[in-house]
Amino acid sequence: SQQGEEDPQALSIQEGENATMNCSYKTSINNLQWYRQNSGRGLVHLILIRSNEREKHSGRLRVTLDTSKKSSSLLITASRAADTASYFCATDARNTGFQKLVFGTGTRLLVSP
Amino acid sequence: DAGVTQSPTHLIKTRGQQVTLRCSPKSGHDTVSWYQQALGQGPQFIFQYYEEEERQRGNFPDRFSGHQFPNYSSELNVNALLLGDSALYLCASSPRVTRDFPVVDTQYFGPGTRLTVL
Repeated sequence: SQQGEEDPQALSIQEGENATMNCSYKTSINNLQWYRQNSGRGLVHLILIRSNEREKHSGRLRVTLDTSKKSSSLLITASRAADTASYFCATDARNTGFQKLVFGTGTRLLVSP
Repeated sequence: DAGVTQSPTHLIKTRGQQVTLRCSPKSGHDTVSWYQQALGQGPQFIFQYYEEEERQRGNFPDRFSGHQFPNYSSELNVNALLLGDSALYLCASSPRVTRDFPVVDTQYFGPGTRLTVL
């Protein structure tokens, strides 16, 4: 079963606009990660935020985490056509001793030139 | 530095057949995890191997089995294929969780094997 839900399921924007996608999850976590997937191929790791962090930046990416609401958001600023992909959040449950990533359902982002 | 590699890229099988997928982890990693991603869904955890043993398993039937070799590479075997097994199978590698490093941060994914069952 999926751990979380991403919202929206699909997002269509123009180049230069910002894209925001949200993720909700169900259990206590060690950290939350965002991955990108192009055309149904392998997943590329974008950014990781730990459970004791609230915000993190990496280039044009900004991630926030609210553990009280069990939610996270990914903001891509000044989007480009190359950002077109599916984006997934993934969590690993606290105190399991093993890293088993549980993925959300994904947001399909389309950036038009 | 070689990343995670998987073979084959694509595979077509018929119901009832058996399939073996292969994965080589990123250099320096000794833990391999397998995920199944159905069309339009997020990846779902199948199982994880390190020290040549299955350490954790997701909600998948016994038809799904695996193996890890001394060089840390891994195989995923699926027996008695069903139409519903059609999916992208992803392998991910990571350093092993230890007492000194109890939380592994990032898993590195391979490009996947697209399995179609007819």
